[in-house]
Amino acid sequence: QVQLVESGGGLVKPGGSLRLSCAVSGIPLSGQWMSWIRQAPGKGLEWLSYIGTTSYEINLVDSVKGRFTASRDNARNSVFLQMNSLRGEDTAVYYCATLHWNSLNNWGQGVMVTVSS
Amino acid sequence: DVVMTQSPLARPVTLGQPASISCRSSQSLASSRGTTYLDWYQQRPGLSPRRLIYEISKRDSGVPDRFSGSGSGTDFTLEISGVEAEDVGIYYCMQGTHWPYTFGQGTKLEIK
Repeated sequence: QVQLVESGGGLVKPGGSLRLSCAVSGIPLSGQWMSWIRQAPGKGLEWLSYIGTTSYEINLVDSVKGRFTASRDNARNSVFLQMNSLRGEDTAVYYCATLHWNSLNNWGQGVMVTVSS
Repeated sequence: DVVMTQSPLARPVTLGQPASISCRSSQSLASSRGTTYLDWYQQRPGLSPRRLIYEISKRDSGVPDRFSGSGSGTDFTLEISGVEAEDVGIYYCMQGTHWPYTFGQGTKLEIK
């Protein structure tokens, strides 16, 4: 059974940084494309990034490009989202998900990030 | 960016009755591979989203057959043949053809 568990969220001041982790079990991460999606409180879903199996393919949406970085460590079966220069509008639940043929087939439970002074 | 527009945004329905949700994209979702990457996700209250349907009409394992998807090009529909209490939640369409991939605003399915 595939399981994705996000961690690393919390309260951070504007301008601060956080690094989210997503631990994957039940499947070898090395064969999986991965994505990050977020959901602001009471709002809809926003796709943030995807990362290919070997990290050569990475893409981020414009709203976080230059501030967020996606990475992965296949040996540790984990993917990461480094978030810098955080703003109030980054407050959201952040989900990682497996990406298979342009579709999100498995999701984690999400982790809350709150950006506030 | 491709804009995904869902309607209605709220759908009250009587238990056992059918329900449908529409999703329209601002450009065709047919890819150069010939596949149309249009998914439907369900988010029950307090839970993570869960994929129900991918590539317009392919149902995920474990998804009841009362859920079905249809459409082509820019117009797509999710249909529930007879709503059950466990179907309450928010439904999102999502396109995976054009980067950045985008979601619809969500449709809240509630019981009358």
